[in-house]
Amino acid sequence: NAGVMQNPRHLVRRRGQEARLRCSPMKGHSHVYWYRQLPEEGLKFMVYLQKENIIDESGMPKERFSAEFPKEGPSILRIQQVVRGDSAAYFCASSPTARDTDTQYFGPGTRLTVL
Amino acid sequence: AQSVTQPDIHITVSEGASLELRCNYSYGATPYLFWYVQSPGQGLQLLLKYFSGDTLVQGIKGFEAEFKRSQSSFNLRKPSVHWSDAAEYFCAVRGLGNEKLTFGTGTRLTIIP
Repeated sequence: NAGVMQNPRHLVRRRGQEARLRCSPMKGHSHVYWYRQLPEEGLKFMVYLQKENIIDESGMPKERFSAEFPKEGPSILRIQQVVRGDSAAYFCASSPTARDTDTQYFGPGTRLTVL
Repeated sequence: AQSVTQPDIHITVSEGASLELRCNYSYGATPYLFWYVQSPGQGLQLLLKYFSGDTLVQGIKGFEAEFKRSQSSFNLRKPSVHWSDAAEYFCAVRGLGNEKLTFGTGTRLTIIP
């Protein structure tokens, strides 16, 4: 059973460009979470999605960031007009349900560098 | 709001020595607690988790952690570390009915021969 997959693993963008990060959850998992890890910091929750629904986006910056998890295909985290402060590692996690006792399994992350 | 404190930013231990990484949490009720390990350039791997029951939980790679409600702590321990244990360790908390994990800032573990 393949784990959570993220691509690309590394992404370089210039200021003002768009970044698209993809996450394929583990097979059978319909709940996806995105976290951001700034340099020398812990992970911070961004958004929680189920298929075709955003459940909790309380950690998402109000502008330039959006996320989706369509019925078919991977979850996408989109950052428009990137700035240097967006440079970070973005991790996706998935779980089979939203039960409190479910473990979130993490992908290897996408490391975004904004020049 | 829930929060996690890992007071030690960096710890260095000798190979074969015992290890204890500290974690304190803040949450109004009984939390769900986790320890994850992150190797350089990698994602997070779950070491162990506490939901209820026995306050001493066993995990993978010989790690264990003890939940102490009176101290709001969930310290990670290992009796004898191996060089391969060098990594960043994150404690996390999740509340009842709350899907998101709240992480501490991490403890970087260095192993010396």
